[in-house]
Parts: sequence; C-alpha cells; structure tokens
Amino acid sequence: QKEVEQNSGPLSVPEGAIASLNCTYSDRGSQSFFWYRQYSGKSPELIMSIYSNGDKEDGRFTAQLNKASQYVSLLIRDSQPSDSATYLCAVRRGSTLGRLYFGRGTQLTVWP
Amino acid sequence: DGGITQSPKYLFRKEGQNVTLSCEQNLNHDAMYWYRQDPGQGLRLIYYSQIVNDFQKGDIAEGYSVSREKKESFPLTVTSAQKNPTAFYLCASSILAGDPTDTQYFGPGTRLTVL
Repeated sequence: QKEVEQNSGPLSVPEGAIASLNCTYSDRGSQSFFWYRQYSGKSPELIMSIYSNGDKEDGRFTAQLNKASQYVSLLIRDSQPSDSATYLCAVRRGSTLGRLYFGRGTQLTVWP
Repeated sequence: DGGITQSPKYLFRKEGQNVTLSCEQNLNHDAMYWYRQDPGQGLRLIYYSQIVNDFQKGDIAEGYSVSREKKESFPLTVTSAQKNPTAFYLCASSILAGDPTDTQYFGPGTRLTVL
C-alpha cells in the first residue's frame, strides 16, 4: 500500500464549477497535510496546509481533513482556467522528522 | 530577494559522467531536501539534511551523493552509478524540521537529460 494515494485523473471541470481532489494516506499517526499546485514544467507551490480535523478555507480553496478515515481533500470553488495544473498531496508522518510523502498528483483541467 | 535557487535550469549529460546540481537558499532554513520527479509521477525523496554536516538517505539514494558543508548550500551529485538519471530534480528547504507546521518550499528545479 502506498503511503499517499490520490484519485486518478485527469479531472476536467467547466469554469465556475467546484473541483474536488482527494487523497488518502496509510499512516494513522500522520500529523501534517499539504496541497501543492504544480504547473507544467514548473516546481510545486504550496497552496494549503492543514493539521487538525475539519475544514480550512483560504479564498476559493478549502482543505478538509478526516483523520479517522485517513482522508484529506481539496475543494476549489469557482474554478478558473488558471487553476489548470497538477495538484500534489503531501503528508508528514508522526514518526519521521521533516520529510514529506507525496502522492502522484491529480491533473486538473478547467475548460472555459 | 529571498528564496531557493537551483542551477543550471537544464543540464545534459553523457552516459558515464558525474554531474553536480546546485541548490542554494538564503531563507536561513535548517533543513534541505532533494527530490526527483519523473513524468506522471509524484516526488520521490533522494536525500535530506536537517543540519550542517549531516544528511540522511531518502527512498532512492542509490547513485546519488550529497554534501552539506554550509547551511545555505546542499549540492547533489548524480553519479554514473545512477542508471536512469533523466528526470526533473527539485530542491526544497524548510525552517524547522520536526515541527508539524514545518513547510517545505521548492526551488525552480533542474531538468537533467542523459544523452
């Protein structure tokens, strides 16, 4: 079982819709969860972090964490073509200082 | 400007050659990391360092070597022992390894191609 798994893409949504990206993780002791956005040919950039159960909102982005289900998601409201990118889920396990475990990413396309 | 710089942006290597990728940060971060990304893949950890003169192997360290002689610098050498080195290499840093809120920030990356 992989440390971090993301729903297979690609995901395609129309402009203005809600895009839902999902991620599950295997280590129940994981403490920190991150969503990075990566445009084609570029490096990842952090868009959200979440550490406790529940929702965390930042503009059009909402991260949701459910530690009991070992599940973290990212919702993008009012999706824009500029949101078209690959979204990487990253998890820090409780037992490993510093390092992150990354999923393979979900490619999102927002069409006008 | 504060940030993480990687050089070169593109690198071409002949088979059998060692090459060194540069990573420098002026963020005063303690921890630095090297990842490899292949097309359609997530990031795989090669090496990481939490303090000067100390580093740990990640998941795919074979064929790579690193040094951490200065806090600001964490160069990665891709040796001839690495069988499939063509990939996108990403360097990252974070301020406080071990804190749950510790966040990694990435440099622009180096794209290595073996000819």
